[in-house]
Amino acid sequence: EVQLLESGGGLVQPGGSLRLSCAASGFTFSSYAMSWVRQAPGKGLEWVSATSGSGGSTYYAGSVKGRFTTSRDNPKNTLYLQMNSLRAEDTAVYYCAREGTGYTDSHFDYWGQGTLVTVSS
Amino acid sequence: EIVLTQSPATLSLSPGERATLSCRASQSVSSYLAWYQQKPGQAPRLLIYDASDRATGIPARFSGSGSGTDFTLTISSLEPEDFAVYYCQQRSNWPLTFGGGTKVDIK
Repeated sequence: EVQLLESGGGLVQPGGSLRLSCAASGFTFSSYAMSWVRQAPGKGLEWVSATSGSGGSTYYAGSVKGRFTTSRDNPKNTLYLQMNSLRAEDTAVYYCAREGTGYTDSHFDYWGQGTLVTVSS
Repeated sequence: EIVLTQSPATLSLSPGERATLSCRASQSVSSYLAWYQQKPGQAPRLLIYDASDRATGIPARFSGSGSGTDFTLTISSLEPEDFAVYYCQQRSNWPLTFGGGTKVDIK
């Protein structure tokens, strides 16, 4: 059974940093690209970033480029999102999601339960 | 950036009725469009990918159609568990984008 479990969310001040993790199980992690998708309270879904199965290619939404970094540790079956220079508008539930085709430009066939990031003073 | 516009914003229907949801893209996305269902407090669930392919375990009452810029998600007969928010998503161009959602609620 495919499982994705995010952790690392919490309350952080504007300008601060946070690192999210997503522990994957139930599939060959290195064979799949992965993405982060966020959802602000009461709002819709926004794709944030994607990384290829090897981690050699990464893509970012314009709203986070230069501030967020996605990485992965394939032996540990874990995806990361390093978030720096956080702003109030980054407040959201952050989901990790598996790319259904295995490649970065895909639909998302499995999602974690999400972790809430709140940016506030 | 490809903008996806979903309509209507809210659809009020009764169990057993047919639901027709629309997603329009600002430029062609070929057939690279997916649909998701999201219930309160839950993660989204993939329903349809590549415009018309049902994801694993999705009931046959859910169907998708369309190509280019106009897409439709149809729920043939609403079950109580189908009242939720539905999102479309394109994977034709970077950045990947989602529509704003259609809420299907009980009339």
